[in-house]
Amino acid sequence: GAGVSQSPSNKVTEKGKDVELRCDPISGHTALYWYRQSLGQGLEFLIYFQGNSAPDKSGLPSDRFSAERTGGSVSTLTIQRTQQEDSAVYLCASSLRRDSGNTIYFGEGSWLTVV
Amino acid sequence: GENVEQHPSTLSVQEGDSAVIKCTYSDSASNYFPWYKQELGKRPQLIIDIRSNVGEKKDQRIAVTLNKTAKHFSLHITETQPEDSAVYFCAAPRGSTLGRLYFGRGTQLTVWP
Repeated sequence: GAGVSQSPSNKVTEKGKDVELRCDPISGHTALYWYRQSLGQGLEFLIYFQGNSAPDKSGLPSDRFSAERTGGSVSTLTIQRTQQEDSAVYLCASSLRRDSGNTIYFGEGSWLTVV
Repeated sequence: GENVEQHPSTLSVQEGDSAVIKCTYSDSASNYFPWYKQELGKRPQLIIDIRSNVGEKKDQRIAVTLNKTAKHFSLHITETQPEDSAVYFCAAPRGSTLGRLYFGRGTQLTVWP
């Protein structure tokens, strides 16, 4: 597809379970971001991948959160032992690094509800 | 990292009036400043951006101005319409345009008919 693709679009999970959220960036985009957006809140940065460089994990809220990006393309965000406060929309975005600017394009998000 | 402050957090205007949202940034090396619009339940989408070699950019009813000396940039929406109601986010990179983008906390704009 032409845009950033995320799955699942909606996920309801029980407290304590692990979840995996998937992001397929725009083809050729070397930069990939994960953001979290709680209801009515701003964009909370989680993690940033850029090419083969070490990812910027400075936004991950706890060691229950991890992410990987395989082959420089698809990324998976994993949340272990989910808590109710993890309920949010998880947005993935990608960009093509270039000198003229790094416009980022967002996916539709994965709505996570922890019950 | 970059510190992006956005004001106001909420803004209500009458249809036809203008709306202005302001952002300040901390890294003087930043040189790319995009604005995103997020409608309720949808993804944020780029509406306009500006690079540091210009002071103003317009696209129909929206414009962005940049003051590099003061390290602030603003979004201007003229002749507002109800469909302009959304959350608007500004962003700036740390350092060059190739740096990670830092977002402001967002402005909820409501345009009353």
